[in-house]
Amino acid sequence: QSPLTQPASLSGSPGQSITIFCSGTTNDIGLYNYVSWYQQHPGKAPKLIIYEVSNRPSGVSNRFSGSKSGNTASLTISGLQAEDGAEYYCNSYTRTSTYVFGTGTKVTVL
Amino acid sequence: EVHLMESGGGLVQPGGSLRLSCSVSGFVFSDFGMSWVRQAPGKGLEYISTISGSDGSTYIADSLKGRFTISRDNSKNTVYLEMTSLRADDTGVYYCAKQRYFRNGAFDFWGQGTAVTVSS
Repeated sequence: QSPLTQPASLSGSPGQSITIFCSGTTNDIGLYNYVSWYQQHPGKAPKLIIYEVSNRPSGVSNRFSGSKSGNTASLTISGLQAEDGAEYYCNSYTRTSTYVFGTGTKVTVL
Repeated sequence: EVHLMESGGGLVQPGGSLRLSCSVSGFVFSDFGMSWVRQAPGKGLEYISTISGSDGSTYIADSLKGRFTISRDNSKNTVYLEMTSLRADDTGVYYCAKQRYFRNGAFDFWGQGTAVTVSS
């Protein structure tokens, strides 16, 4: 199972919005709505920020939103804040009942 | 409060074996799937394996079949990862994670990870 494809890096100024795209196949993103997104700060464990394409866990800011179209999922961070600077990973359930992560996107807040 | 704590990491020689443990609290362990995910130094997250709730069904990444085995002991609220024939590229931080559902779903809670170094 090849990793899902994400841009290596994105940046934005405080207050701006950015969107991270995650490209998969008909065997993962295109097949199920079990797409999730994780935020990871350096030296820390990943944190779930979006599950099942567009749902936010309790306590996660509503500045994070997710969607999916075909084989591509996306995460939008609105009103970018300094603490949003981190690595972001998408993830999808797959046809073989396993999971696959994206390659990761480093978000820099300018 | 949900809490996951990994243990068992350390330095191991190439070709060696290691068993990682993940002890959990704060939820009904047997009701949820559990998974292992790893991260090589400076690299991204890599899915390893999942074990479902009380029926113990297991799933593993194709690249690790035959070397890694996941198991759980619901009486001890612990999930394990048995790793054999270890190689240098198995070096990294190994995380256990709780799934949202019995068999699948997002990884909603994570441990802090345990470091594994494969080197002579």
